[in-house]
Amino acid sequence: KAGVTQTPRYLIKTRGQQVTLSCSPISGHRSVSWYQQTPGQGLQFLFEYFSETQRNKGNFPGRFSGRQFSNSRSEMNVSTLELGDSALYLCASSWRGLAGSYEQYFGPGTRLTVT
Amino acid sequence: GQQLNQSPQSMFIQEGEDVSMNCTSSSIFNTWLWYKQEPGEGPVLLIALYKAGELTSNGRLTAQFGITRKDSFLNISASIPSDVGIYFCAGSVPSTGKLIFGQGTTLQVKP
Repeated sequence: KAGVTQTPRYLIKTRGQQVTLSCSPISGHRSVSWYQQTPGQGLQFLFEYFSETQRNKGNFPGRFSGRQFSNSRSEMNVSTLELGDSALYLCASSWRGLAGSYEQYFGPGTRLTVT
Repeated sequence: GQQLNQSPQSMFIQEGEDVSMNCTSSSIFNTWLWYKQEPGEGPVLLIALYKAGELTSNGRLTAQFGITRKDSFLNISASIPSDVGIYFCAGSVPSTGKLIFGQGTTLQVKP
């Protein structure tokens, strides 16, 4: 089975711009979660989507948004980029039914640099 | 909110030594996961624990889900250079299933 894929792997943007990151989950996985990883803050949860609906949300400003498509692929968008948004953005997928597995499998991440 | 305290923050050991790291919290979790992350890559799932008291092994790795459901530890026996990386624990919040991550333990192994 193919793993979680994320595109692009690297991205350089300027302050004020917006960016869209893409994630394709493992086949059959319906849950996709997004995380921001920085050296100082570690892995911070952004949001989770399940069957095209946002199921959980972390404590990030509204500039961070996401969506999930009917094929479970997900995108996250960051608008009005700030220098502090520079980070590794990780996507994780899981087969997560109502009470099922919470094992999450991560993609390689997108390294975003804001200048 | 829920927080995980992972320790130690970093370890520098000799090849062949055993390693132990743990995560504690004041909150209860219903799943504990252990991940390893290498530079430039996403975290890779090592072990998943679902029941209080559960002890699970994966090769030289052994992890346990604490009886109180508030802690977990990971042991690595006979370390080798390729064990180098950052190890994260993660707990699943019972009400939402959201994963909370520890700050990570950076492991360096001297050949």
